[in-house]
Amino acid sequence: QVQLQESGPGLVKPSQTLSLTCTVSGGSISSGDYYWTWIRQPPGKGLEWIGYIYYSGSTYYNPSLKSRVTISLDTSKNQFSLKLSSVTAADTAVYYCVREGYYPDTNWFDPWGQGTLVTVSS
Amino acid sequence: DIQMTQSPSSLSASVGDRVTITCRASQDISSWLAWYQQKPEKAPKSLIYGASTLQSGVPSRFSGSGSGTDFTLTISSLQPEDFATYYCQQYNSYPRTFGQGTRLEIK
Repeated sequence: QVQLQESGPGLVKPSQTLSLTCTVSGGSISSGDYYWTWIRQPPGKGLEWIGYIYYSGSTYYNPSLKSRVTISLDTSKNQFSLKLSSVTAADTAVYYCVREGYYPDTNWFDPWGQGTLVTVSS
Repeated sequence: DIQMTQSPSSLSASVGDRVTITCRASQDISSWLAWYQQKPEKAPKSLIYGASTLQSGVPSRFSGSGSGTDFTLTISSLQPEDFATYYCQQYNSYPRTFGQGTRLEIK
């Protein structure tokens, strides 16, 4: 059973870069059957899709964040990562790493990591 | 972007009640819709995909219906563990978008 686990600093200063890593266990990140995705949720609010990376390295980002987001993968460690630059308090959120199916009839999000809270504050 | 609008935003109900949550898409998304359940301090859990197909292990009291722009999630007989927030999500196009959530509370 595939499991995802986020890791990274819980506190980031304004204007700096948020960096998170997702470690995938129980399955290979090099599978062509999945997109590897980041989703965030500000405290008390709804869910926002950030973007995905495919095993080939291709990416797609939410246009609302595109200028600040980079998602990369490290197949040797079975991990993928998120970098969000020039953060502000509005980027304070629980960040989830999630798997999305690649094929059109499998494109839902499952499973989800447990989430990690990142607070942007000086 | 496709806008997803859920109603109601919150709902109070009792154990044993039948409840329905509605999700409307701003454009036709066929049946490319999923529902998620989120409990406090936990990650969302996938319940339904393809608008009406239950994920493995999801109780049969949950059901989904709809296509095009209008969708519903129904819980036929509420159980204590069902009190949570529910989100719909479209996967017709990118960026993927979610409804704002429906908080289901105990009356």
